[in-house]
Formats: sequence, C-alpha cells, structure tokens
Amino acid sequence: AQKVTQAQTEISVVEKEDVTLDCVYETRDTTYYLFWYKQPPSGELVFLIRRNSFDEQNEISGRYSWNFQKSTSSFNFTITASQVVDSAVYFCALKGIGGYQKVTFGTGTKLQVIP
Amino acid sequence: EAQVTQNPRYLITVTGKKLTVTCSQNMNHEYMSWYRQDPGLGLRQIYYSMNVEVTDKGDVPEGYKVSRKEKRNFPLILESPSPNQTSLYFCASKLQETQYFGPGTRLLVL
Repeated sequence: AQKVTQAQTEISVVEKEDVTLDCVYETRDTTYYLFWYKQPPSGELVFLIRRNSFDEQNEISGRYSWNFQKSTSSFNFTITASQVVDSAVYFCALKGIGGYQKVTFGTGTKLQVIP
Repeated sequence: EAQVTQNPRYLITVTGKKLTVTCSQNMNHEYMSWYRQDPGLGLRQIYYSMNVEVTDKGDVPEGYKVSRKEKRNFPLILESPSPNQTSLYFCASKLQETQYFGPGTRLLVL
C-alpha cells in the first residue's frame, strides 16, 4: 500500500523567510512518480512538479526547489524568500509507474506567509 | 485554452435530492477521475475512467455514480445525497502521468 505523510499541518512564516514543506512517502514500487500541488485560497489545485523515482537530481524553479532523497523516502519542497502569494495548502502525492496506478495524496500543509 | 471545467461551482441541496456535477475537458485526455477533499483527509479518489465506457471505483465510491459516454465528459451523479457527502469535489484529467484538476465544486447537503 502507498502512503504519503505531510506531518506539518500548518506553518506560518514571515514574508521573505525561507520555508521547507516536508513530504515522506511509503511504497513497494521500485519506480514511481512524486508530485506537488498548490491549492491557493481560491480553491483550485495547481500542478507544480512531477519527479521520477529514477531521477534524484534536485530541481529549482525560481524561488521553488525540491529535494528528492530516495534513501529517506522524502520529497521536500522549499520556498526561498517567501511571499504572501505563496500562502496556500500544498499537497504532496505519489503514483506508481506502469499499468493503472492510483495517485495517493498527503493530507496537505497549510502555509501562511505573514506580511 | 486547455482546461478542465466543472459545473456548478457551488451547490446547496437537501438530503435525497438527486444531483449531477458535470466535468468536461478539452484536451482529448483518455483518463479522467473524480476526487473529494475533506479537512484532514486530503484528496480521496471516488471514481476514475481509463477511456470511454470504462469506469472503475476509487477509494470512496459509495453513494456516487459516474458515466463516460464520450471522451470529454465525465459527470458525477449523487442519486440520493446525504450530509456526509458535503465536500469539495474535483474532477481531473490526465496526460503523461500528470493530473490536471478542474476548479472544484463545493457541495453542501442539508
């Protein structure tokens, strides 16, 4: 069975601080995908990134960076110099590769960036 | 513009009154699915469809029905809604292992 744990339910930071959102996963699959989605207060779900399990290179996109550590089954998300617009709920998700594999979502981390 | 649309966006209804939430995508994706989002539980899959006329249960299918008569549409049907189906519902379609979500439908069942 797959499981995604986002232990941080809510985080508050002051604008311009860096913040890391943790994601730990469990799977028996040897190959899989990991995702992050953003849900701003308006409610929609916005796709941020997809990562293959066989590619452990970290990725940076502007102020966003993702640290994939297969050895610790973690896929953490860091926002550098946070802004008020980063305030949202962030979901981490996991999906096996091959055939039909369902997507398992974590319970989300609510990030509040205080001006 | 490539998108997934849902209607209605907000709905208040009463127990037992049948309702349908529509979902449509214009990206020609074969795979579509429905999720519900509840506080503390994240997103849970209700039903999914691999292609036209092919549907299957997700994690929480009880009380819901779906149909997939054409590729672009995947309606969610609540034959007899109950208060425990009050939730935020998302439709999604998938391309190359990434799901793209609709804007969500907030449902309140009184």
